[in-house]
Amino acid sequence: TQLLEQSPQFLSIQEGENLTVYCNSSSVFSSLQWYRQEPGEGPVLLVTVVTGGEVKKLKRLTFQFGDARKDSSLHITAAQPGDTGLYLCAGHPSGNTPLVFGKGTRLSVIA
Amino acid sequence: DAGVIQSPRHEVTEMGQEVTLRCKPISGHNSLFWYRQTMMRGLELLIYFNNNVPIDDSGMPEDRFSAKMPNASFSTLKIQPSEPRDSAVYFCASRRAGGPYEQYFGPGTRLTVT
Repeated sequence: TQLLEQSPQFLSIQEGENLTVYCNSSSVFSSLQWYRQEPGEGPVLLVTVVTGGEVKKLKRLTFQFGDARKDSSLHITAAQPGDTGLYLCAGHPSGNTPLVFGKGTRLSVIA
Repeated sequence: DAGVIQSPRHEVTEMGQEVTLRCKPISGHNSLFWYRQTMMRGLELLIYFNNNVPIDDSGMPEDRFSAKMPNASFSTLKIQPSEPRDSAVYFCASRRAGGPYEQYFGPGTRLTVT
């Protein structure tokens, strides 16, 4: 069974600080996706990384896929209260199979 | 384009009652997934369909749970009889067949069984 471990589970920071969230596995994934979920809503896809070593930027968010395609990180620069939410990473093993989800990192950015 | 549509958004029912959750996937998507989310267990996959055919229902907790997909634009998840431990948020998600396998979630149904 493939597993994705996310860390930290909870993170509470002040507005303007930087943070990094990690997503690790012992398994190789063909791609990895990051989602953000706000209270009362479904997860919303932020980005998909496909190539080992790939880096994608989305405004103040930087996503990296590990060279071996077993891990990923999400870095947020100058966090804002609007970044508050549950961040989920999800790995796609291969073929038309379900995603493997991590348990999420719950981020709270305090103004 | 409309996203994944789920109904109802909230359901409160008494133990023993039948509950039916509904989902309309994004048009053109071939795969549909049902998830359950709780604080304790996170997001759990219950069952998924490819081209309306159930592929893996090993995540369905008990025989009280059943799911159908009669056509490409509609699916139901039924719980009969419901129990308090079924209280959770249930999500439906859909995606196209073929890479990069990006999933799109509905807004969820918050189920409370008293």
